Formats: sequence, structure tokens, C-alpha cells
Amino acid sequence: NAGVTQTPKFRVLKTGQSMTLLCAQDMNHEYMYWYRQDPGMGLRLIHYSVGEGTTAKGEVPDGYNVSRLKKQNFLLGLESAAPSQTSVYFCASSYLNVLTFGAGSRLTVL
Amino acid sequence: AQSVTQPDIHITVSEGASLELRCNYSYGATPYLFWYVQSPGQGLQLLLKYFSGDTLVQGIKGFEAEFKRSQSSFNLRKPSVHWSDAAEYFCAVAPSGGYQKVTFGTGTKLQVIP
Repeated sequence: NAGVTQTPKFRVLKTGQSMTLLCAQDMNHEYMYWYRQDPGMGLRLIHYSVGEGTTAKGEVPDGYNVSRLKKQNFLLGLESAAPSQTSVYFCASSYLNVLTFGAGSRLTVL
Repeated sequence: AQSVTQPDIHITVSEGASLELRCNYSYGATPYLFWYVQSPGQGLQLLLKYFSGDTLVQGIKGFEAEFKRSQSSFNLRKPSVHWSDAAEYFCAVAPSGGYQKVTFGTGTKLQVIP
């Protein structure tokens, strides 16, 4: 039982490049989330999804887009990366308000 | 809007000593409350949760937390800390019912010294 899997684990980008982070869960959860974690800031919600085909903005959505074409996958895209997007990104899914997290994706934007 | 405050950024305790990590929340009604732990380089893992009922909840790894409505607090405790408990601890709050938006505190980093 893999739980929540994030790919890639590490990525270095140059300013202006684009990329997509992939999150996959095998627990059949309806709810999925993307958070970013920065020192001293805790986890901040970027976007979330309450089901296949639906997405919504969290508290820090600017510069990111998401898609949930299949229930088990939640993609986070950066169209034009900026140094301010250097962070660790966590995907999570939830059932009955309990979050299950992936191991994280560390993104550096130069 | 809901919010969570963890006033201690960093705490150091000796192995075998007791531990209390503080968490205060702001929310209009009784929320759902959580503690998560994050080991270095890992994602967050649920330690325990409070939804309703008994205000003292037991979690994994010997942790417990007490919900005090009058103080808007949900402090995490452990009677005897082990070196493996060194990690970062996050308190979180979510509205009871409705869609599941969880708000996290900024975390408390625990260092355990021999």
C-alpha cells in the first residue's frame, strides 16, 4: 500500500521554466491538496480538490495551476517558475479530515 | 478565519524528561484538532486527533493531547521523551463538518539531548 506518492523528489529549475509535480494516491480519497512548506511558515495550502474534475484555490495559489483529471492523481504546475517558488511541496489526500502526506518534492528555482 | 498558534519555535529536552508542546487555536465553534509529526526529510504523519467526546486523546508513540475549550488550547504531552522523538511537530485545526480545509501552525522543532 503506497499511500501518497510524489514525483519528482528533487528538481532544480531556472527562472521562467515550467514544470509539473505529480501526486498519486491509491486510497480512493476524494479530497486532495497541495501545500508548500517554508521555514518558519508552516504548511500553506496552494490548491485543493474535492473530487475528480474539481479544483479550488487555497491561501497561496498565485503562480500555480492544478488539475484533477483522474481521482487518483493531482497535478501541480508552475508555468513560469520564480525564485520565490523555491520550497518543499507536499501533496496530501484526506478521508474523514485526516490527511495522509507524500514524502515531499524539493524544488529549487535559480 | 481559523488560525493556529504554536508559540514555541524550538524546544530542547533531555531524554527521559517530560514534554509539553503548546498549541492555541482560533475558531468560532468547536473544531477538529490534530497533531502531526515530521521527521527530517519526511512528510507529516498523524500523531492524534480530536473530533469530539473525551477531551484527553491518546495517540501513537506514547503521545497524548488535551482539548481545553476554555483556553482554546490543544497541548501535546509525553511523559518520557526518547531520542527518536526529535522531529518537528505541527498542530492543525479544521472546521467540524463541511469540506475539509486544514490549517497548520508554524511548527515546533524538538531537540532531544542525551
